[in-house]
Amino acid sequence: NAGVTQTPKFQVLKTGQSMTLQCAQDMNHNSMYWYRQDPGMGLRLIYYSASEGTTDKGEVPNGYNVSRLNKREFSLRLESAAPSQTSVYFCASSGGRGDPQHFGDGTRLSIL
Amino acid sequence: DQQVKQNSPSLSVQEGRISILNCDYTNSMFDYFLWYKKYPAEGPTFLISISSIKDKNEDGRFTVFLNKSAKHLSLHIVPSQPGDSAVYFCAASAISGSARQLTFGSGTQLTVLP
Repeated sequence: NAGVTQTPKFQVLKTGQSMTLQCAQDMNHNSMYWYRQDPGMGLRLIYYSASEGTTDKGEVPNGYNVSRLNKREFSLRLESAAPSQTSVYFCASSGGRGDPQHFGDGTRLSIL
Repeated sequence: DQQVKQNSPSLSVQEGRISILNCDYTNSMFDYFLWYKKYPAEGPTFLISISSIKDKNEDGRFTVFLNKSAKHLSLHIVPSQPGDSAVYFCAASAISGSARQLTFGSGTQLTVLP
């Protein structure tokens, strides 16, 4: 019963390095989302994909790119990592307008 | 400007008593509200939701109340259990295109004391 799977779980990068965070869901959901969570703050939306083949910016998209590879997979890329991108990243998926979002367990990313 | 606010960073209650978690919002376009529960090193887990056309929704020990005029919602947990100790996030949603975007509050750490 996997649900939403994120890889890797932990990563340490140096400033300027690039990295792709992977997310896959097995619930046949149309919509997928990427959030970041920082200490003392709620989750903030980076990018989302309402359906396969579409992506849109969320609240904090700068410094990130996304790819909706197919219906199951939605990846988040940091082209040139900065210390301000140190955070916990969560991927989520949803079946439709009335369906709550279901979250993965997160990727803890530290950028030195 | 935060559109969804949880003004209490933490709350402690005794086992068996009621826990009340509060949330305020500012955007009148929000039409769907959710509560998520989060344990350390795990992702948020959906708990309960309410549509803006309702003022109450109940699911077992959990009840969410919505006061649209005050732009306020609350989560009641009765009776509280030690396993309820977690961070609770309030989230509000408005339709944007064909997807719902969630705006989260900063969370309340609930501790249920045995």
